[in-house]
Amino acid sequence: EDQVTQSPEALRLQEGESSSLNCSYTVSGLRGLFWYRQDPGKGPEFLFTLYSAGEEKEKERLKATLTKKESFLHITAPKPEDSATYLCAVQGNYGQNFVFGPGTRLSVLP
Amino acid sequence: EAGVVQSPRYKIIEKKQPVAFWCNPISGHNTLYWYRQNLGQGPELLIRYENEEAVDDSQLPKDRFSAERLKGVDSTLKIQPAELGDSAVYLCASSLGRLAFFGQGTRLTVV
Repeated sequence: EDQVTQSPEALRLQEGESSSLNCSYTVSGLRGLFWYRQDPGKGPEFLFTLYSAGEEKEKERLKATLTKKESFLHITAPKPEDSATYLCAVQGNYGQNFVFGPGTRLSVLP
Repeated sequence: EAGVVQSPRYKIIEKKQPVAFWCNPISGHNTLYWYRQNLGQGPELLIRYENEEAVDDSQLPKDRFSAERLKGVDSTLKIQPAELGDSAVYLCASSLGRLAFFGQGTRLTVV
């Protein structure tokens, strides 16, 4: 059974204080690992897809990396508008369902 | 291009009443998902459609939940009768290939 865990559950940062969010997964053959951002009262918004170990993707202050067991979402010099819940999901080779982790709730204080 | 559209955005009903949610996926997306998201948790799959066929409904509580996707486009998710524990956000997503795009969700409160 595909599983995803995320840590920490919640993270509070000062503006400009860089940090990383972790996503650990077990899957029967990884088809893709996905990062989403979710603002309160809204649906998840797609950020990145990673397909193989060693792959990296960047977008503004965010950088996602992937190993065979986990993915990190690095946030460099965050701003208050980066405050949101960040969800990690995996899709295995034997199905097309997206299995989500519980998310990390990020708060960036001015 | 319009994204995934869901309605209503909010719904408050009394327990034992029926409720229905509607989803219009992105045009051309043949895969449609319904997820349920409880407060503070990640989305959990209820059902996945490939065109008009429900290919994975193993997590759908079939005693009270039903879904349909007529003509492989719009989809409706129904709960009858609703229970207090059904209070959650119901998310619809669609995909063509590996990427899934989500709607804004319907927040259901059962009182």
